[in-house]
Amino acid sequence: SQKIEQNSEALNIQEGKTATLTCNYTNYSPAYLQWYRQDPGRGPVFLLLIRENEKEKRKERLKVTFDTTLKQSLFHITASQPADSATYLCALGSGNDMRFGAGTRLTVKP
Amino acid sequence: EAGVTQSPTHLIKTRGQQATLRCSPISGHTSVYWYQQALGLGLQFLLWYDEGEERNRGNFPPRFSGRQFPNYSSELNVNALELEDSALYLCASSVGPVLETQYFGPGTRLLVL
Repeated sequence: SQKIEQNSEALNIQEGKTATLTCNYTNYSPAYLQWYRQDPGRGPVFLLLIRENEKEKRKERLKVTFDTTLKQSLFHITASQPADSATYLCALGSGNDMRFGAGTRLTVKP
Repeated sequence: EAGVTQSPTHLIKTRGQQATLRCSPISGHTSVYWYQQALGLGLQFLLWYDEGEERNRGNFPPRFSGRQFPNYSSELNVNALELEDSALYLCASSVGPVLETQYFGPGTRLLVL
């Protein structure tokens, strides 16, 4: 069956460091992959989308990589700040289907 | 521009009752999606409506149903509520049937006692 796994439930890092979150998937061939940010009690907010034929995408301090051979996406936040603390969700989509991972809760400590 | 709105923000029901959740998409968006997010779990896809038609349905029992109105707003109905239906219900919208650009509302927190 199709499975989406985000590396860990929680990740704690020090302010200024680079946070790296992982999204692995099995038995699925996504046409695109997205990353969302979700704050407690709020709906997810779209951050970045990367398509199957793209290797890397950047937006300000964010970088996403997509390796369809490894079936993995890495999401990096450079120069992390306490305001980056949130849950980050990956979502894979193809055709009429889109599936979300359970998310990784990131805490950036000052 | 107003974002996706959902009502009510919180809803408390007892087991066996029915719940109705409402969603208004961003102006100009024709597709509405419903998701369930139970505590500690990822978003589970429930339903997708576009132009008034049901486009896709997740792996949920028939007591989860909905509809989309001519103004593109949508309703999610949950009949015969069970304790495990307690969750955050999120609505998202997009310009046409394009899943990859969904904008989420703040959600309705449903508690079933």
